[in-house]
Amino acid sequence: DQQVKQNSPSLSVQEGRISILNCDYTNSMFDYFLWYKKYPAEGPTFLISISSIKDKNEDGRFTVFLNKSAKHLSLHIVPSQPGDSAVYFCASRPPGSARQLTFGSGTQLTVLP
Amino acid sequence: KAGVTQTPRYLIKTRGQQVTLSCSPISGHRSVSWYQQTPGQGLQFLFEYFSETQRNKGNFPGRFSGRQFSNSRSEMNVSTLELGDSALYLCASSRGGGGGETQYFGPGTRLLVL
Repeated sequence: DQQVKQNSPSLSVQEGRISILNCDYTNSMFDYFLWYKKYPAEGPTFLISISSIKDKNEDGRFTVFLNKSAKHLSLHIVPSQPGDSAVYFCASRPPGSARQLTFGSGTQLTVLP
Repeated sequence: KAGVTQTPRYLIKTRGQQVTLSCSPISGHRSVSWYQQTPGQGLQFLFEYFSETQRNKGNFPGRFSGRQFSNSRSEMNVSTLELGDSALYLCASSRGGGGGETQYFGPGTRLLVL
């Protein structure tokens, strides 16, 4: 049972435009959400996170939106750059001390010059 | 500040052997988590160590084990290797406190079982 789903395995966007990556989760106990970027043969790199008490968090070109009623979060990248081309994973965590992250299957973003 | 380091970066083993992977967390981080990434299963949580104690465990067989030392460095061990254990093994560290907290990942160890 996939508790975190990224239904789009790939996304192509023109340089300078907005990239929107989506993620759905089923476990209403999750209270902390993160986005990671991953290049081949490297570990995931943390991008941005959001707590369930917020509905938006912004960091430079990256903004994460959380819709708790829909159990949906999205990552917006504006403007998109060719260096953003990578696999993007969303991850969720239950409350408490546990560090266990549940990851989605990832979305390959390709930013075309 | 140095990031999470993992050794070795690449490893080739044969079925039935055992393997030990090492992870050094970011200085000051006391929590170390291990994940397995495979094409079929994606990124899956193995276990987490905090203050030398296993605090959380994923759904993996007992062949997968780990430990943490007093300096927060961690090792994971896989015994009686199977072909399906071929994967990228990732270690992540965090401070280990409560509340929202970010895990920072190392570059991973690529294990190939022949």
